[in-house]
Amino acid sequence: AQSVTQLGSHVSVSEGALVLLRCNYSSSVPPYLFWYVQYPNQGLQLLLKYTTGATLVKGINGFEAEFKKSETSFHLTKPSAHMSDAAEYFCAVSVKRGSYIPTFGRGTSLIVHP
Amino acid sequence: NAGVTQTPKFQVLKTGQSMTLQCAQDMNHNSMYWYRQDPGMGLRLIYYSASEGTTDKGEVPNGYNVSRLNKREFSLRLESAAPSQTSVYFCASSEATTASGNTIYFGEGSWLTVV
Repeated sequence: AQSVTQLGSHVSVSEGALVLLRCNYSSSVPPYLFWYVQYPNQGLQLLLKYTTGATLVKGINGFEAEFKKSETSFHLTKPSAHMSDAAEYFCAVSVKRGSYIPTFGRGTSLIVHP
Repeated sequence: NAGVTQTPKFQVLKTGQSMTLQCAQDMNHNSMYWYRQDPGMGLRLIYYSASEGTTDKGEVPNGYNVSRLNKREFSLRLESAAPSQTSVYFCASSEATTASGNTIYFGEGSWLTVV
């Protein structure tokens, strides 16, 4: 079965600093990978996803993630954090196993300091 | 531009009471889902409906029932609420569970407290 591990339940950065949120997955078949963002008191919305093709995926709000098969990773980055980036971020993985229902990680809370 | 709409947004229940969470989507999606979100646990799938007329258990189905009323609507029922069911519940939908790169679209959540 597929699984995903997000390293660090909380990540704190200063405004303008690099954002790096880590995600590692486990899958015996090629995975589809997602990052979702959840702003306070809201539902989740898709930030970006990797299906096939280019391993560097660009998403909304300046975020990007790189699929590294050799490292089984899909880390999320943004060069310069903004206060509005403060939110909960979820990594998810899905594989072909009858259906493509994704499995979500436990989430990483991004805190941005002025 | 409603997307996924769920009601109620907030609810307080006494132990043993029953209630139904309602969900509707206007994106003509085939598949619908109910998740619960608890601190430190991420999102866990309760039930899903791959298509109209079908429902299946997810990771944490105990204590819940669902009904896929039609293509648009998918309800979640708590027959006898327990404090362990205090959580934030999210309804979601997607084009199809069989679609590669299946993107899930979420509602805004329902905060349920069982006392």
